Amino acid sequence: RKEVEQDPGPFNVPEGATVAFNCTYSNSASQSFFWYRQDCRKEPKLLMSVYSSGNEDGRFTAQLNRASQYISLLIRDSKLSDSATYLCVVNFPGDDKIIFGKGTRLHILP
Amino acid sequence: SAVISQKPSRDICQRGTSLTIQCQVDSQVTMMFWYRQQPGQSLTLIATANQGSEATYESGFVIDKFPISRPNLTFSTLTVSNMSPEDSSIYLCSVSGAYNEQFFGPGTRLTVL
Repeated sequence: RKEVEQDPGPFNVPEGATVAFNCTYSNSASQSFFWYRQDCRKEPKLLMSVYSSGNEDGRFTAQLNRASQYISLLIRDSKLSDSATYLCVVNFPGDDKIIFGKGTRLHILP
Repeated sequence: SAVISQKPSRDICQRGTSLTIQCQVDSQVTMMFWYRQQPGQSLTLIATANQGSEATYESGFVIDKFPISRPNLTFSTLTVSNMSPEDSSIYLCSVSGAYNEQFFGPGTRLTVL
């Protein structure tokens, strides 16, 4: 099983729709989880951390399911500016490092 | 979050040459990290640079190919040595936040001919 796995997409979604991504991770001891956004030819930028109880930031909701070892990102009322690649990031305590998924590409269509 | 700058932002180099990438942070940090992102791929950690000690390299990366300097708490350099086209990539430096989140510089886009 890959360490951090994401559906690469692309997800082509009409503006205003709701879209959800999942990300699975292999290390059950992982404690820190993040979603990053990466625009074309730019560096990744932290979108939000993922807390055990789930968290929301405006139109974005992140959730953690420890039993099934996945995290999710939900984007409501999607905007054209949401078009980007979304990277799932998980820490691996045993190796003391964080692992990036390959990202899910999202295209919001006008 | 820290403000991180990198130089150069991009370069085109000939095979067999070397390029040194600079990373400057606006605050003092214990660890700085160097990542590579190859076309269409995610980020791979090259090494962790600690001030006052040798860098720690990840599997598949060696000091002779990617020497790193860390002369103080706000600056680091990564050299890509004896380059080949396979080294064409984006190289990013980063620092850690309080919860292991990473904050990245703008990256250096390297093309090796």
